Amino acid sequence: NAGVIQTPRHKVTGKGQEATLWCEPISGHSAVFWYRQTIVQGLEFLTYFRNQAPIDDSGMPKERFSAQMPNQSHSTLKIQSTQPQDSAVYLCASSSPGLSNERLFFGHGTKLSVL
Amino acid sequence: GDQVEQSPSALSLHEGTDSALRCNFTTTMRSVQWFRQNSRGSLISLFYLASGTKENGRLKSAFDSKERRYSTLHIRDAQLEDSGTYFCAAEAPGYQNFYFGKGTSLTVIP
Repeated sequence: NAGVIQTPRHKVTGKGQEATLWCEPISGHSAVFWYRQTIVQGLEFLTYFRNQAPIDDSGMPKERFSAQMPNQSHSTLKIQSTQPQDSAVYLCASSSPGLSNERLFFGHGTKLSVL
Repeated sequence: GDQVEQSPSALSLHEGTDSALRCNFTTTMRSVQWFRQNSRGSLISLFYLASGTKENGRLKSAFDSKERRYSTLHIRDAQLEDSGTYFCAAEAPGYQNFYFGKGTSLTVIP
């Protein structure tokens, strides 16, 4: 089991460019979460899918950010017109919910640097 | 506002000593998880608790079963490899996602 796979590990974009981040959850896990980590804000929840359906995107910035899960094997987080304040480590996690969500397994993250 | 408050924010321990980290929640939580983030940034799951206590080697975690508003992580006989940042994450009833505390930066010194 390779765990949660995130690509790329590092991404550098210029201000105004688009960035797409990829996440492959653990096989068989039906829940996928996206978080963002910065020194100042810590770990911030962004969005959550269950069985590919968006459940809660309350943490997503209303503009420029979008997330999809087109199939059970991957999810993407897209940031349009990136800004320097978008620089962060973006973490994807998956879990296999029963009655509750049970433990989260995280990928290594994608470090996004917007110049 | 922050739903999860972790303390202390930083901690130094000598090898072989014991300590406890704590998370307080502003509301009743359904479950809690504890993670350690290593120097490479990887978040490793330590415990998931819906109630009671769990123990794994020198680590033991407890989730207040009565009011469900705090959790603790006890480290016994601290070792150098325990150094890292420890996070708790709590799931509020009905929310189905996890909110993280700001973390405790632990340094174990020889």
